[in-house]
Amino acid sequence: AQSVTQPDIHITVSEGASLELRCNYSYGATPYLFWYVQSPGQGLQLLLKYFSGDTLVQGIKGFEAEFKRSQSSFNLRKPSVHWSDAAEYFCAVVNEGGSEKLVFGKGTKLTVNP
Amino acid sequence: DAGITQSPRHKVTETGTPVTLRCHQTENHRYMYWYRQDPGHGLRLIHYSYGVKDTDKGEVSDGYSVSRSKTEDFLLTLESATSSQTSVYFCAIKDPSYEQYFGPGTRLTVT
Repeated sequence: AQSVTQPDIHITVSEGASLELRCNYSYGATPYLFWYVQSPGQGLQLLLKYFSGDTLVQGIKGFEAEFKRSQSSFNLRKPSVHWSDAAEYFCAVVNEGGSEKLVFGKGTKLTVNP
Repeated sequence: DAGITQSPRHKVTETGTPVTLRCHQTENHRYMYWYRQDPGHGLRLIHYSYGVKDTDKGEVSDGYSVSRSKTEDFLLTLESATSSQTSVYFCAIKDPSYEQYFGPGTRLTVT
C-alpha cells in the first residue's frame, strides 16, 4: 500500500537559518506530491505541488521542494526561516490516474527560535 | 480561499449520543472528504464522496457514516459517540487538478 514517511517529528531552527523537511513516499506509479502547512488551530493550506515536469517546484511563502524519483523523496526547503513559519508541515501523495485519495505523512512540527 | 465551511466548530458531547457534523462548499466540486486529525497520526481519511449519494470508506471508517444529498453538503455522523472519537475533524474538497482545500475544522470532545 502507498505510504508517506516524514522521518522528523519535530525540528527546531533559528530564525534566518535554512530549513529542509524530509518526505519519502512508497509508490509504484508516478505520484502527485503535495506539501501542506497547518498553523495552530487552523486548517491545512497548500504550499506547493508536483505533478510533472521540472523537478524543482516553487511554492508560496518562499518555499520550494525537489522531487527525486531515484530516492523516492520530495523534500521541502526554505533558505531563510521566519518566525511566522512555525507550524506543522504535512507531505501527501496521490496516485496519478488512480486513487482520488490523498495519503498524508504524520507531519513535522517546526519550531523557530528567535 | 475556497468556499468551504464546517459546523459546528466546537462540540462537546457525551458517550453514546449521536453527533452530526456538516461540511458545506460553494465551489460545486464533485469530491468531498472527511478526515480526522490526532497527534502522532497526521490526517486519516474517514469517508469520501464522489457525487450526490455516492460515498466510499476511508481507512478509519468504523463508527462513522456519511451522507450527501446535495452537491454542496457532506454530513458526517457518529451514530453513538465514543471517547476514542474525540478528535479534530476536517472536511476537504478536491478540484479537478487533485488539489484539496480544507475547511477550518471541528473540534469534537466526547466525555
